[in-house]
Amino acid sequence: EDKVVQSPLSLVVHEGDTVTLNCSYEVTNFRSLLWYKQEKKAPTFLFMLTSSGIEKKSGRLSSILDKKELFSILNITATQTGDSAVYLCYTGTASKLTFGTGTRLQVTL
Amino acid sequence: EAGVAQSPRYKIIEKRQSVAFWCNPISGHATLYWYQQILGQGPKLLIQFQNNGVVDDSQLPKDRFSAERLKGVDSTLKIQPAKLEDSAVYLCASSLALGSSYNSPLHFGNGTRLTVT
Repeated sequence: EDKVVQSPLSLVVHEGDTVTLNCSYEVTNFRSLLWYKQEKKAPTFLFMLTSSGIEKKSGRLSSILDKKELFSILNITATQTGDSAVYLCYTGTASKLTFGTGTRLQVTL
Repeated sequence: EAGVAQSPRYKIIEKRQSVAFWCNPISGHATLYWYQQILGQGPKLLIQFQNNGVVDDSQLPKDRFSAERLKGVDSTLKIQPAKLEDSAVYLCASSLALGSSYNSPLHFGNGTRLTVT
C-alpha cells in the first residue's frame, strides 16, 4: 500500500527561525511530489518536484527531492507569523495521489 | 481565473439526516476530486471523476455516500444517512490532467465543514 509520512507532526518556532519539514514516501510508480500550504481555507500549491536533486525556490521557501532515499524537504527561512499553517505533501503516480498527514507549523512572536 | 467553488461553507445536521455538497471546478478542468479531511489528518480521497466518468471510488462508503458529475462540470456529493464520524471538511479539487494525475497540481476549493450531532 502506498504510504506518505510527514514529520514532525507539529512544530512551534519563533519568528525568524529556519524550519525544515520532511515528507518521506513509499509508493509504486512514483512520478511527482507536491507541497501545499493549508491555512483555514483551501490548500494552496507551493511546489511540484519530479527530478531528484533540483531545488525549487520561491522567496523564503525552498524544496528538494531525493528519489534515492525517497523523501523531500521543505525549508522555510526567516519564518514569519504568516507562515503558520499546515503543510501537506502528496505523491502522484499515473493513477493515484497519496497525501501525508501534514505538519502543523506555528510561528510565534 | 476563477477558483474552485464549493457550497455551502458550513453545515450542521443531526445524525441520520441527509446532506448534499456542491462543487464547480475551474473551467476546462477535466478531473474532479472529492476529499474528506478529518481534523488532524491529511485529505482522504473519496472519489475521482474524469469528465463525467468515475476513475476511483474505492474509498467511498457506498452504503451512505454518493456522488455524481452528470455533465462533466459541476459535481454533487451526498451523504444519506449521516453518522457522527462523518464530521469533517469536504474538499473538492480539480486539475487539468487527463489520464495522468501526477503532472498537474490540484486546485482546491475552500471546503464544506460538516458537523454531525
